[in-house]
Formats: sequence, structure tokens, C-alpha cells
Amino acid sequence: DTGVSQNPRHKITKRGQNVTFRCDPISEHNRLYWYRQTLGQGPEFLTYFQNEAQLEKSRLLSDRFSAERPKGSFSTLEIQRTEQGDSAMYLCASSLDSVLNTIYFGEGSWLTVV
Amino acid sequence: DAKTTQPPSMDCAEGRAANLPCNHSTISGNEYVYWYRQIHSQGPQYIIHGLKNNETNEMASLIITEDRKSSTLILPHATLRDTAVYYCIVRPHSGGYQKVTFGIGTKLQVIP
Repeated sequence: DTGVSQNPRHKITKRGQNVTFRCDPISEHNRLYWYRQTLGQGPEFLTYFQNEAQLEKSRLLSDRFSAERPKGSFSTLEIQRTEQGDSAMYLCASSLDSVLNTIYFGEGSWLTVV
Repeated sequence: DAKTTQPPSMDCAEGRAANLPCNHSTISGNEYVYWYRQIHSQGPQYIIHGLKNNETNEMASLIITEDRKSSTLILPHATLRDTAVYYCIVRPHSGGYQKVTFGIGTKLQVIP
């Protein structure tokens, strides 16, 4: 069990550029979540996958954001035409689809838009 | 729309027990109490969870009141490495998907 893995851990990008984050969940975890966290705030839910199906999206997930989990394993979160307000830590988490469904988080990917 | 209320900050002397309270007066019968902590610049780390009985693991103890409207996370011998933001969350443990909703948590400062 290697835990939830996220990369890159840090990304600095210019406003208007696209960025993509990758998340590798804990093996056999079929539920995958993306959260966003800004300084001084708790993590805010963005979206949720059950296997490859994206079952819920927050209003925070604007048209510039897209998340995929094509084979039900790893997931990507892409932000197009980044804005300074997108600067945050993007957290991925995973859990089993069973009674043992504790959610485990990765270390996060920090995005700074300059 | 977090379902819990926590004090924004607490201090604790190193080596002493840290007792972090959480109010969850609207908790429903199938909801568990979960605790996570987040050390600066890292992802939230799962600590412990419980339904109605007190729980203990290698990290902490969780005391839930009989009416389940509040709970306390206990770190028996706080160290400097326990300085973090602690989040108390309620959510169903099974029976389908439920996302975790975080509040702002309690910032615990362990003082040497």
C-alpha cells in the first residue's frame, strides 16, 4: 500500500496556460475524489468518481476544469486558461466501495498562477 | 455546510494530553464521527473514526458522548509534531457514496 500519489507536487504557471495534475489512488480503491484547498480554509469538494464514472461535480468546478478517470484507476484534473484565483492546493483522495470506506488523501499538488 | 463546530485554535504543552472538542448536534443515526489532521502543506491524514463507542488506536483516542452530539479527540502525549489543523467530520460509513465536507478545523499548537 503506497498511499495516494499525486504529481506534480508543485506547479508554477503563467496565467492563461493549461495545467494537468495526476492522481494515482490506493490500489483497488474504486472511489476517487478531488478537492481544492486555499490558505486558511478546509478542503472543498470538487468532484467524485466511482470507477470511471464521474458521479458528482461541485459548482466550484467551472467550465475550465475537467477531470477524467479513463480506466477507473488513475485520474487527471486539467485546468484550462488558468487564472490567479486558481492558485490553491489540489487534493486527491480515494476509498473503497464497501463498509471499509475511509477516505485517504494524497499529499496534494500546489498550483501557483502568476 | 459543515455539520460540525470546532474551536478555531488551541494550545497544548508538549507532553501533556491534547483534548480537541467537536460539536455535531445534528448527527444522524447512521453517521460516524471522523477525525483528520493536516500538517502544514500536506494532505489531510486520517486519524480515527467512531460511531458511538469510544475508540482508540496508535494515534489517538476518540470519546463520543452518549447522546452522540459531541466528541473529543485525545492525543495522550502531545509532541511538537502534532502541531496541525484537526478536522472533525460526520458522514455515513457505508451504504453508498457520501463526500466528506470539511469546516475550518481546530489549529492545534503544541508548545515546547
